[in-house]
Amino acid sequence: KAGVTQTPRYLIKTRGQQVTLSCSPISGHRSVSWYQQTPGQGLQFLFEYFSETQRNKGNFPGRFSGRQFSNSRSEMNVSTLELGDSALYLCASSLVSDYGYTFGSGTRLTVV
Amino acid sequence: QKEVEQNSGPLSVPEGAIASLNCTYSDRGSQSFFWYRQYSGKSPELIMSIYSNGDKEDGRFTAQLNKASQYVSLLIRDSQPSDSATYLCAVNMGGAQKLVFGQGTRLTINP
Repeated sequence: KAGVTQTPRYLIKTRGQQVTLSCSPISGHRSVSWYQQTPGQGLQFLFEYFSETQRNKGNFPGRFSGRQFSNSRSEMNVSTLELGDSALYLCASSLVSDYGYTFGSGTRLTVV
Repeated sequence: QKEVEQNSGPLSVPEGAIASLNCTYSDRGSQSFFWYRQYSGKSPELIMSIYSNGDKEDGRFTAQLNKASQYVSLLIRDSQPSDSATYLCAVNMGGAQKLVFGQGTRLTINP
């Protein structure tokens, strides 16, 4: 079966711009989580969605937002990009969060 | 105190030996625990999950959980060069719908 699909794979943006990343979970998976991965901070939790509801949010500024659609696909948005937002953004899906997550290949965002 | 802590390594183990990776967590209410493997340039891959105290074995991998000590470990028997990767411990924070990861331990298996 198809895995978690993230688009685009690579993105270069300028400071101050905004960006939208997309994630299609494994068919049937209703829980979608987003993570930011950097060499210094490791994998940091951004937010988790289940049936279009955000159930938890990590310690990130309000510039980071997300949503989930009725088909479980999810998007995350970062507004007013800063250089420090350069990272690998990973989406992961699960049937229910207690079963563990399957990760997508990620979107590598570079802010210049 | 970090929510999930791991020794960042690097940990170097000879081929064929047992690699032992450790993790502690802060939330006593946590109920589900996972080990992920991440190769350089790739995304994390789930290799083990454990929910009850004791050991859980899957092939060459054994996960161990001690909730009283808030401690999770992963043993890799008969280590192979292909096991060289970063191993991430993840804990589903009690009822919070939030899977928190440790910093990861970089493991190198030497032929």
